Amino acid sequence: QQQVRQSPQSLTVWEGETAILNCSYEDSTFDYFPWYHQFPGESPALLIAIRPVSNKKEDGRFTIFFNKREKKFSLHIADSQPGDSATYFCAASEWGGGSNYKLTFGKGTLLTVTP
Amino acid sequence: EAAVTQSPRNKVTVTGGNVTLSCRQTNSHNYMYWYRQDTGHGLRLIHYSYGAGNLQIGDVPDGYKATRTTQEDFFLLLELASPSQTSLYFCASSDAGQNTEVFFGKGTRLTVV
Repeated sequence: QQQVRQSPQSLTVWEGETAILNCSYEDSTFDYFPWYHQFPGESPALLIAIRPVSNKKEDGRFTIFFNKREKKFSLHIADSQPGDSATYFCAASEWGGGSNYKLTFGKGTLLTVTP
Repeated sequence: EAAVTQSPRNKVTVTGGNVTLSCRQTNSHNYMYWYRQDTGHGLRLIHYSYGAGNLQIGDVPDGYKATRTTQEDFFLLLELASPSQTSLYFCASSDAGQNTEVFFGKGTRLTVV
């Protein structure tokens, strides 16, 4: 059972373009949605996260758009740079606390930014 | 910066062999996790724990046991390793409060031949 679906599997954009990565989820109890990135040979690391009290979260060139009704969220990377080339994972969880905090990850999007 | 240390970093074992992967975190985090990463499957949760002596089953637990001996230490056990368990294993930890960032170790690459 795949609770978090991610697309596309791979994406190539030119330097300066906006890359758009998409995710959807099924579990209505999810209320925390982070994006992690992983560079080759390294571990995943938190990039940006959103809670659905708002439908948009910005951090520099990175923006999460969230649609609670459709259970979808996306990561927009503006002015993409070759250094952004990495695998990006969306994830979902119930908000922290309690005894059941765990992240469910999507399968990842391999982003390549071409100079 | 949270520190999560895994050992060994690389391991080769034979089919049917016993393997123990170790993980230590030094940030007093409540939660610890074991994930496996495989091409085309992303990160899949094997087991996790929210404190010493506690164990929760993840999404792909078959063939794996885990034990949380202390707040700092979390072990993953493969008692009868199979080639399908060849993978990159990540240990991770997080707090249970306002900061829910999950911090990953550097990974253990396990090959079962």
